[in-house]
Amino acid sequence: EDKVVQSPLSLVVHEGDTVTLNCSYEVTNFRSLLWYKQEKKAPTFLFMLTSSGIEKKSGRLSSILDKKELFSILNITATQTGDSAVYLCAVLETSGSRLTFGEGTQLTVNP
Amino acid sequence: DSGVTQTPKHLITATGQRVTLRCSPRSGDLSVYWYQQSLDQGLQFLIQYYNGEERAKGNILERFSAQQFPDLHSELNLSSLELGDSALYFCASSVDPSSSIQYFGAGTRLSVL
Repeated sequence: EDKVVQSPLSLVVHEGDTVTLNCSYEVTNFRSLLWYKQEKKAPTFLFMLTSSGIEKKSGRLSSILDKKELFSILNITATQTGDSAVYLCAVLETSGSRLTFGEGTQLTVNP
Repeated sequence: DSGVTQTPKHLITATGQRVTLRCSPRSGDLSVYWYQQSLDQGLQFLIQYYNGEERAKGNILERFSAQQFPDLHSELNLSSLELGDSALYFCASSVDPSSSIQYFGAGTRLSVL
């Protein structure tokens, strides 16, 4: 059975800190790994990673995938209170059907 | 705003009842996915439709069913509801099954009392 594990499950930091969120996976037919941000309701798409070693960046957020070691990290630099959310990692199988999600990391950024 | 519309936002009902959740995908998207998010289970894939046809099934109970209509909107029917069915139900859509990015709606919060 496909499995996605995120760590830590919860993180509390101060504004301006840099955080690293981890995601490891065991998937039979890997296609891509996606990161989502969930604040109140809908998960919002952040990144999609398909190839190893290529960093994706968007402002203060960046992510990279290691397909050999089966993990990904999401970095957030100079955190702001608006970054407070649950960050979800999900893996898509080659059929393009289901996303298998991790439990998420609850990030709280205090002023 | 992802462009995926779900109604209603909240639903409160009693055990044993039946409800219907509705989803309109983003304009141009042919594939629709349903997920359930509960406190103890996280986000779980239920079922996928593509252009009106069922394409993949996940952990969907037999009491639950779904369909996608010719105008591409989708409905998730939940019957003989139990307390444990209380959860957030999300719909997501993508251009087609080969597109990795699924965009999520705001969800329907179902409370079974």
